[in-house]
Amino acid sequence: AQTVTQSQPEMSVQEAETVTLSCTYDTSENNYYLFWYKQPPSRQMILVIRQEAYKQQNATENRFSVNFQKAAKSFSLKISDSQLGDTAMYFCAFMKIQGAQKLVFGQGTRLTINP
Amino acid sequence: DTEVTQTPKHLVMGMTNKKSLKCEQHMGHRAMYWYKQKAKKPPELMFVYSYEKLSINESVPSRFSPECPNSSLLNLHLHALQPEDSALYLCASSSIGLFRGQRDTDTQYFGPGTRLTVL
Repeated sequence: AQTVTQSQPEMSVQEAETVTLSCTYDTSENNYYLFWYKQPPSRQMILVIRQEAYKQQNATENRFSVNFQKAAKSFSLKISDSQLGDTAMYFCAFMKIQGAQKLVFGQGTRLTINP
Repeated sequence: DTEVTQTPKHLVMGMTNKKSLKCEQHMGHRAMYWYKQKAKKPPELMFVYSYEKLSINESVPSRFSPECPNSSLLNLHLHALQPEDSALYLCASSSIGLFRGQRDTDTQYFGPGTRLTVL
């Protein structure tokens, strides 16, 4: 079974700062996807970024980038130039490519961006 | 367009009521999902439909009954719920991966959720 661990329950930074959220996972699979989702107070789960495990290049989406270390089973999210609208719960998630379509979520990190 | 819609936004029901939650997507996705989310917790998978057939049931009590009338619609029928069933219910949809490398394959897109309160 796969597990996802987010070791930071809460984080708080000032607007415009850079912040990194940690995520580690455990799996015996070789092919899988990793995701970061954000859930603001409005409750909608929004996809932030996705990484395919077979790709060595780290995924980036505008101010969001990941540091994917496959051997270490680590998948951190970096938010640059943080904005007030980045305030949300962030979930790291794992999914096997073959077979099950099940997302395995971490417990989440509550990120607050202060003005 | 990566929009999944859910109705209603809020629902309050008694333990003897029968109600339904609805989910719709027009992205051509052939997999649809129901999740339950309690406060300050990650979503928990309930059901998965692939090509309009139930493919995963995570041992959900029979008082929750899913239905997939067509490839765009997903319903969750509720009957004789308990107060502990109060939660945010999220619907999601995704394409089904056939080839490695297809952009967006298997990525789940979520709707805004229905906040359910059982009295």
